[in-house]
Amino acid sequence: GNSVTQMEGPVTLSEEAFLTINCTYTATGYPSLFWYVQYPGEGLQLLLKATKADDKGSNKGFEATYRKETTSFHLEKGSVQVSDSAVYFCALSELGGGYNKLIFGAGTRLAVHP
Amino acid sequence: DTEVTQTPKHLVMGMTNKKSLKCEQHMGHRAMYWYKQKAKKPPELMFVYSYEKLSINESVPSRFSPECPNSSLLNLHLHALQPEDSALYLCASSQDRGGAGVNNEQFFGPGTRLTVL
Repeated sequence: GNSVTQMEGPVTLSEEAFLTINCTYTATGYPSLFWYVQYPGEGLQLLLKATKADDKGSNKGFEATYRKETTSFHLEKGSVQVSDSAVYFCALSELGGGYNKLIFGAGTRLAVHP
Repeated sequence: DTEVTQTPKHLVMGMTNKKSLKCEQHMGHRAMYWYKQKAKKPPELMFVYSYEKLSINESVPSRFSPECPNSSLLNLHLHALQPEDSALYLCASSQDRGGAGVNNEQFFGPGTRLTVL
């Protein structure tokens, strides 16, 4: 079946450091790929998405490129802020009849210190 | 309106209580989802409704009973829960655009933090 593997955290960085969170997937076909972020005590927010190979999703300084050849969707940010401290989930979408099923990675906790 | 709302925000219940969680969206989405999330874990899918019909039940115990009264509303009825059911319950919704990779992200609500005593 389809699956998503994320690098284990926690990831601890100083403010303005470069961030990479690795995500690889196993899937049949060409699923859409997503990064969701969860701030403490909140639900999940869509951070960015890509729907086909070589698409680059971007939002709030975060970027990820859909790499079919390496089945990867790594999240990057050039300069993190303390406010980026959260849990980040990589996910892929399996389409059903009128709905889609999200397959999540385990999540990576990011802590950014001043 | 691009929001999914959930009530209540927090709920504490005993093992003999009956309670309900409510989820609402006004984005015209025809798919709605219930997830359970334990601490430091990803959300686990429980139920999916598509066009107000139950499409997926991920082998959830019968003490959880979903209901979709109309296209904007999703309930989760709780009865005789166990302490291990304590978790964050998340609701989500998505459009049905069909085809691979077209506008199929899920929009999540803030969740209900449930504690079973």
